[in-house]
Amino acid sequence: ETGVTQSPTHLIKTRGQQVTLRCSSQSGHNTVSWYQQALGQGPQFIFQYYREEENGRGNFPPRFSGLQFPNYSSELNVNALELDDSALYLCASSSAGSHNEQFFGPGTRLTVL
Amino acid sequence: KNQVEQSPQSLIILEGKNCTLQCNYTVSPFSNLRWYKQDTGRGPVSLTIMTFSENTKSNGRYTATLDADTKQSSLHITASQLSDSASYICVGGDSWGKLQFGAGTQVVVTP
Repeated sequence: ETGVTQSPTHLIKTRGQQVTLRCSSQSGHNTVSWYQQALGQGPQFIFQYYREEENGRGNFPPRFSGLQFPNYSSELNVNALELDDSALYLCASSSAGSHNEQFFGPGTRLTVL
Repeated sequence: KNQVEQSPQSLIILEGKNCTLQCNYTVSPFSNLRWYKQDTGRGPVSLTIMTFSENTKSNGRYTATLDADTKQSSLHITASQLSDSASYICVGGDSWGKLQFGAGTQVVVTP
């Protein structure tokens, strides 16, 4: 176990709805990264938060947004859900620094119908 | 554009045998090369992290190599076990801390 938790584990939504996914980082980590992993593919970087500020963003539209709280836990919000948003959403926590290991949570499986 | 390509896409090996997975990467500015193991429906778990100055790193039966000149890496699994069945993902890290993931190699170990 990495100490990184995510909730919920599974979620089913319909097209057009909004969803909030949550992540609690490992103790002592101030950086949280979010990834989207489609079936059979590697994770794709959505964005990263460092000390409550967005610190880099991948090629995802603005309807993907996030927050990081003072305790370094984080939320991923997706508005106007589309069918292609169905995926495993992973968060990873780490200390700041390019070489530092990222510890992944178990993921949230989102299905959009 | 940063890219990581892995081969083969999948492989089946007999328990007790060895195998080697390949990775070609284009990551700039390059900082490190990582290998992760991901069980189905679970988050990836780190196996090795190598900087550009390291040629090899081991973690138990897993040995990773890195050639920063040719931008290639490999992961060797020795004496495979049934629990090694998983997806193995090669990841290039840049100097800003951003990671570029490959699509993974699906390994199936059969009795």
